[in-house]
Amino acid sequence: GQNIDQPTEMTATEGAIVQINCTYQTSGFNGLFWYQQHAGEAPTFLSYNVLDGLEEKGRFSSFLSRSKGYSYLLLKELQMKDSASYLCAVKDSNYQLIWGAGTKLIIKP
Amino acid sequence: GAVVSQHPSRVICKSGTSVKIECRSLDFQATTMFWYRQFPKKSLMLMATSNEGSKATYEQGVEKDKFLINHASLTLSTLTVTSAHPEDSSFYICSAGLAGVETGELFFGEGSRLTVL
Repeated sequence: GQNIDQPTEMTATEGAIVQINCTYQTSGFNGLFWYQQHAGEAPTFLSYNVLDGLEEKGRFSSFLSRSKGYSYLLLKELQMKDSASYLCAVKDSNYQLIWGAGTKLIIKP
Repeated sequence: GAVVSQHPSRVICKSGTSVKIECRSLDFQATTMFWYRQFPKKSLMLMATSNEGSKATYEQGVEKDKFLINHASLTLSTLTVTSAHPEDSSFYICSAGLAGVETGELFFGEGSRLTVL
């Protein structure tokens, strides 16, 4: 079956750096997405990786290794507003989005 | 980015009644929209793919007679929860993608929280 694994919850300190990992086993691969979802709100797009390597966008970076079925989202200079759930999603060979359960990130002062 | 608007954001209804949720693409045309359901602390669960001018494609296990989807125009899709029961209480979210965008990112509506008493 298809599976996306990411930690359920992580805690980090304001101003620090945190890395959220995502591993996947899917039938084919057509890109990996990271979305941010604040409690009670809809997800918003953060990043997209289709080739191996690091994509940097401001304080957020996303890395992909297709051979390892692995990605991470790196958040730098953490702010309190970064407290949210971070969802990893993969497009399979049918271009269907397979969603992870999300990682709840708690930022402490 | 593209804007998707969903209405209502919150609805409370009595068991046995029907509830309609609207999803609109405000500044683009969406031939395809997606309806998701999300339980607390759980992932997004795709319910169905809404296709403009044709029948929706439902995921396995989703009752098409229970969750009626209509995509009558390129900017509007509706989800009607018929004869709602307390177990239908959930967060429902719609999304759409922009044609021609390489990333294929989805733009989500604000979500609708349904509570069935």
